[in-house]
Amino acid sequence: QVQLVESGGGVVQPGRSLRLSCAASGFIFSRYGLHWVRQAPGKGLDWVAVIWSDGSNKYYGDSVKGRFTISRDNSKNTLYLQMNSLRAEDTAVYYCAREETSGGFDMWGQGTMVSVSS
Amino acid sequence: QAVLTQPSSLSASPGASASLTCTLRSGINVGTYRIYWYQQKPGSPPQYLLRYKSDSDKQQGSGVPSRFSGSTDASANAGILLISGLQSEDEADYYCMIWHSSAWVFGGGTKLTVL
Repeated sequence: QVQLVESGGGVVQPGRSLRLSCAASGFIFSRYGLHWVRQAPGKGLDWVAVIWSDGSNKYYGDSVKGRFTISRDNSKNTLYLQMNSLRAEDTAVYYCAREETSGGFDMWGQGTMVSVSS
Repeated sequence: QAVLTQPSSLSASPGASASLTCTLRSGINVGTYRIYWYQQKPGSPPQYLLRYKSDSDKQQGSGVPSRFSGSTDASANAGILLISGLQSEDEADYYCMIWHSSAWVFGGGTKLTVL
């Protein structure tokens, strides 16, 4: 079955860290760029980060630059997001998404909720 | 000023057509960007609809009906998602997206109501 499944969300205090995972199946993982996109409750989509298929390049949104790190393990078909120095405004559903060759995000996971609260 | 601006809401009748706009910030020329469109229904992740830059550079998402199409309005510096033959199932939030300054940018989204 072709899918992306996120995990690792939860409730965390401000300033703490959390690592999200995204397990892929049903396609050749190492051929695709992968993204994290988040959505705060009742708000729009906010792009977080991308990592190229071979991990050679990474880009981040301004709101997470210097705090979040995207990585991947092609041997485990898994994408990660290390989130440090978390803030209340990082509270959101975090989706992983696959980028197809022409740039569209053609596959999305169901998302994992992260709540940053004291 | 936001990079991409979308009207927050739009209403249209079943069977009619709806044009959803995505206006690029002044100084960013719509003709130089591929614009991507997504549909999101409550409680579900977004779904990829299509990509449009020009009639020679466009792509329909897999399984997306042809009544969803893209275009641009150079005079308004905007990308357009046209939905023809509106159905109740088209009621959703719609987002545009571009790659700009080494980052992907989403518009704020338009809530389409079909009534």
